[in-house]
Amino acid sequence: EVQLLESGGGLVQPGGSLRLSCAASGFTFSSYAMSWVRQAPGKGLEWVSAISGSGGSTYYADSVKGRFTISRDNSKNTLYLQMNSLRAEDTAVYYCAQTRLYDSSGINWGQGTLVTVSS
Amino acid sequence: QSVLTQPPSASGTPGQRVTISCSGSSSNIGSNTVNWYQQLPGTAPKLLIYSNNQRPSGVPDRFSGSKSGTSASLAISGLQSEDEADYYCAAWDDSLNGRQVVFGGGTKLTVL
Repeated sequence: EVQLLESGGGLVQPGGSLRLSCAASGFTFSSYAMSWVRQAPGKGLEWVSAISGSGGSTYYADSVKGRFTISRDNSKNTLYLQMNSLRAEDTAVYYCAQTRLYDSSGINWGQGTLVTVSS
Repeated sequence: QSVLTQPPSASGTPGQRVTISCSGSSSNIGSNTVNWYQQLPGTAPKLLIYSNNQRPSGVPDRFSGSKSGTSASLAISGLQSEDEADYYCAAWDDSLNGRQVVFGGGTKLTVL
């Protein structure tokens, strides 16, 4: 059974930094791309970033480009999202998803971790 | 404002057939495949349809997807109360800014 467990969310001040983690199990982690998708309170889904299975290719939404960095450690079966220069509009539940890169489909999703950016 | 356009709401009675549309452009739906997600209240999204019309294992065949040009549709036949959820379409978008995934704004389906 595929399991994705996000962690690292919390309250951070505007301009601050946070690193999210997503621990994966139940599949060959290095064989799959991974993605981060967020959902602001009461709003729709917004794609944030994706990374290929090897980590050699990364993709970012315009809204986070230059501020967020996606990475992975295939030896630890863990996906990361380093978030810098956080803004109030980054407040959201952040989901990680096992992804098929060729069609961008999120095959399996974690339960999410809440990031709140507020002073 | 979302890159992909969906109606904000849809409704139907049990047993009915409902369709949800998703409109895009040549840089996304027109040149890439479409995925659909179902999000039940208070839960994480779930992949419902991938590559325009493929159902993951475990998804009932009451759900079907199609694509034509720069638009896509999700159809739900034999509507059931447990289908009440938010539905989102998504696709790769290839623009001058590079490759990104774009989502529709979501459609809230109400089973009357």
